[in-house]
Amino acid sequence: GNSVTQMEGPVTLSEEAFLTINCTYTATGYPSLFWYVQYPGEGLQLLLKATKADDKGSNKGFEATYRKETTSFHLEKGSVQVSDSAVYFCALGLTGGGNKLTFGTGTQLKVEL
Amino acid sequence: ETGVTQSPTHLIKTRGQQVTLRCSSQSGHNTVSWYQQALGQGPQFIFQYYREEENGRGNFPPRFSGLQFPNYSSELNVNALELDDSALYLCASSLKEGNYNYGYTFGSGTRLTVV
Repeated sequence: GNSVTQMEGPVTLSEEAFLTINCTYTATGYPSLFWYVQYPGEGLQLLLKATKADDKGSNKGFEATYRKETTSFHLEKGSVQVSDSAVYFCALGLTGGGNKLTFGTGTQLKVEL
Repeated sequence: ETGVTQSPTHLIKTRGQQVTLRCSSQSGHNTVSWYQQALGQGPQFIFQYYREEENGRGNFPPRFSGLQFPNYSSELNVNALELDDSALYLCASSLKEGNYNYGYTFGSGTRLTVV
């Protein structure tokens, strides 16, 4: 079946530090890959996405590259801010499968001054 | 354009009761999906509705049911509530064209507590 594995949190960083959150997936077919962010008490917001191998999604300084050979979609940011503190979810969706999203368990990021 | 709105935001129910959660989809979207997010976990797909019919279902028992209305809004109904049903219920709307879903947008969720 389809699954997403994320690194466990919480991840605690100082402001302006480099961020990597690892995500690997297992899927039948050719999924689209997503990163969602969830702030406390809120729903999910799409952060970035990539729809095919070697695509790079980017938004608000965050980037992730769809690596088919390693089945990975790691999230990176060069310099985090306190306002980036949230829970980050990696997810995959398959065309023709109703496009339901399969999520990882989430990684909590805490950024301190 | 309006986003996805869910109601109520919080709800407390007693074990064995029934609950109805509501979702208004984003303007221009024709598909609604429901997800259950237990504390500390990722969202789990419950089901999706397209053209007022169920269009895919996750691993949830039949006491989880839904409706989609002609205006594309949706309800999630849960019968015979159990303590483990306590979770954040998220609604997401999208535009389905052929095999593709575009513009997947989530609401802020309904926090259900079963006591």
